[in-house]
Amino acid sequence: DAGITQSPRHKVTETGTPVTLRCHQTENHRYMYWYRQDPGHGLRLIHYSYGVKDTDKGEVSDGYSVSRSKTEDFLLTLESATSSQTSVYFCAISESIGKGRDYEQYFGPGTRLTVT
Amino acid sequence: AQKITQTQPGMFVQEKEAVTLDCTYDTSDPSYGLFWYKQPSSGEMIFLIYQGSYDQQNATEGRYSLNFQKARKSANLVISASQLGDSAMYFCAMREEVASNTGKLIFGQGTTLQVKP
Repeated sequence: DAGITQSPRHKVTETGTPVTLRCHQTENHRYMYWYRQDPGHGLRLIHYSYGVKDTDKGEVSDGYSVSRSKTEDFLLTLESATSSQTSVYFCAISESIGKGRDYEQYFGPGTRLTVT
Repeated sequence: AQKITQTQPGMFVQEKEAVTLDCTYDTSDPSYGLFWYKQPSSGEMIFLIYQGSYDQQNATEGRYSLNFQKARKSANLVISASQLGDSAMYFCAMREEVASNTGKLIFGQGTTLQVKP
């Protein structure tokens, strides 16, 4: 199993509060991703990183920011949480990108976030 | 625009029977990869099978096989000899390999499979 941990695993917070989710990997993989999972939508990409300090937006990035100061850590921040951000958040890593199964993504266990 | 469609929100299958989960995709990328993931009730995402758009043969991984019909843009997952442990949500996903330099996956909505004893 790929060494990916997410913290916290569960969190309940109030509307308007800042929240930071952490993804930590021990695989030294270059690419890291944050997805959110919602019923009827599958998983959707929020942000991704292609190296230390190199990040870019995904399809649902509004209201989220990310940072990656070390290879192993990728942080997702909700500056002011809203109820629409209640979701399950998955981190994923990939050694590289390219053709073939060798470049598959490995997923963390997920963080369930509830914004009340 | 790139898109994955899974039209079966939920399915039932009898234990030991085979079941097919549908997935259609849309992309203009000449090279892409198709993935299936399993998500049991515990929540983790488990990789099942991969099919490259340039692969001549359908992919197989144990009891899982992928019925890849490129002209119809479909990549259906076939599970043979269903087991109770196959009860889970199944996601089809696509990775564009030329147009996108992100490696990101585009997911379908998912299909919930329940295996009956």
